[in-house]
Amino acid sequence: DIQMTQSPSSLSASVGDRVTITCRASQSISGSLNWYQHKPGKAPTLLIYAASSLQSGVPSRFSGGGSGTDFTLTINTLQPDDFATYYCQQSYSFPWTFGQGTKVEIK
Amino acid sequence: QVQLQESGPGLVKPSETLSLTCSVSDGSVSSASDYWSWIRQPPGKGLEWIGYIYHSGTTNYNPSLKSRVTISINTSENQFSLKLTSVTAADTAVYYCARETRAAYYDPSGFHNAPYMDFWGKGTTVIVSS
Repeated sequence: DIQMTQSPSSLSASVGDRVTITCRASQSISGSLNWYQHKPGKAPTLLIYAASSLQSGVPSRFSGGGSGTDFTLTINTLQPDDFATYYCQQSYSFPWTFGQGTKVEIK
Repeated sequence: QVQLQESGPGLVKPSETLSLTCSVSDGSVSSASDYWSWIRQPPGKGLEWIGYIYHSGTTNYNPSLKSRVTISINTSENQFSLKLTSVTAADTAVYYCARETRAAYYDPSGFHNAPYMDFWGKGTTVIVSS
């Protein structure tokens, strides 16, 4: 299985900050990397697919980048609604696997 | 906007079979472009992909669960289902169903599919306990 490692595991940030989360794959996954936002008691929501494509309806302050083994999710101008846990997921090789999550908390 | 809703017992006894159904609305499980997935999240842990099914009945399962998992589809009811046999406390989790679709991209190594799960249910909690 391809292992996905996110860093940091958690971070504290203020409204208006720029936040970057990284995701590293244990082998090259080309650009088959997705990012999800998850809030307690709610369905996960897709933010970014294919490493850098913004899902329809997702605010443009979210952006994704990277290829191969190293990827980033950036949130520009953090908003109150963005405090959540973020997961990366590879869809290059079965079984699909997720990172352990990055919890973004209010400073 | 596709909507998915999980349903099933919230409590299952050890060694028994966990059975869940996902009802799809504003979308069709018969769609040629979509796959229908199950994912779970044990308490305090991350997300684990269980497997998916295509409208033809083709399935793909996580090898870690393959011996115990069956995903089936009912196109007439627009539903798909999950069965997990011989459950233990380790199967206690929130279970989600989701739609998987695909994008395509090119890089120096050629053409790639980029599957992603764009619509999810809200999840249902299943506790395994006697």
